[in-house]
Amino acid sequence: QLQLQESGPGLVKPSETLSLTCTVSGGSISSSSYYWGWIRQPPGKGLEWIATIYYAGNTYYNPSLKSRVTISVDTSKNQFSLVLSSVTAADTAVYSCARQMYYSDTSGYFDYWGQGALVTVSS
Amino acid sequence: EIVMTQSPATLSVSPGERAILSCRASQSVSSNLAWYQQKPGQAPRLLIYGASTRATGIPARFSGSGSGTEFTLTISSLQSEDLAVYYCLQYNNWPPWDTFGQGTKLEIK
Repeated sequence: QLQLQESGPGLVKPSETLSLTCTVSGGSISSSSYYWGWIRQPPGKGLEWIATIYYAGNTYYNPSLKSRVTISVDTSKNQFSLVLSSVTAADTAVYSCARQMYYSDTSGYFDYWGQGALVTVSS
Repeated sequence: EIVMTQSPATLSVSPGERAILSCRASQSVSSNLAWYQQKPGQAPRLLIYGASTRATGIPARFSGSGSGTEFTLTISSLQSEDLAVYYCLQYNNWPPWDTFGQGTKLEIK
């Protein structure tokens, strides 16, 4: 059974950098059949796709966040990570990692999700 | 950016009745549309992908239809455990630029 688990600080100060890691178990992050992505959900609001990575290192970003976001993968640890710089209160959200289906000519839906990690931006 | 608009924002249905949720795309997404169910405090659960294919383990009372810009999620006989927020997701873009609808909150009468 595939499982994803987010980890990282729950509190980040304004203007600083948010860093989260997703550890994948029960499956290989190096599978050619999947991407791996990050999605966030501000309290009481909807879902927003942040970024996606392929095990080979191909990266894709939401244009609205692209200037502040970096996604990376460590296949040796079966992990992928998110870095969001210059955070503000508007970045307070539950951040979830998820497995995303790989297609050659379109994006893919998310089928397995982590439980999510609440990150609060506050001084 | 493809904008996904869900309606209604809130839907109240009695147990045993049918619930119909709508999702509209600002431009065609072909059949690259998924539906998710999110219960309070839980991660979203994949219900439907490819507009009409049920994900593994999803009860037959959930069905999806549509293509292009208009999509529907139907719950044929509502059960109390179906209380949740339902989101649609379009994944038609390349390079990826996935967008979710704003959600429909399903209430049980």
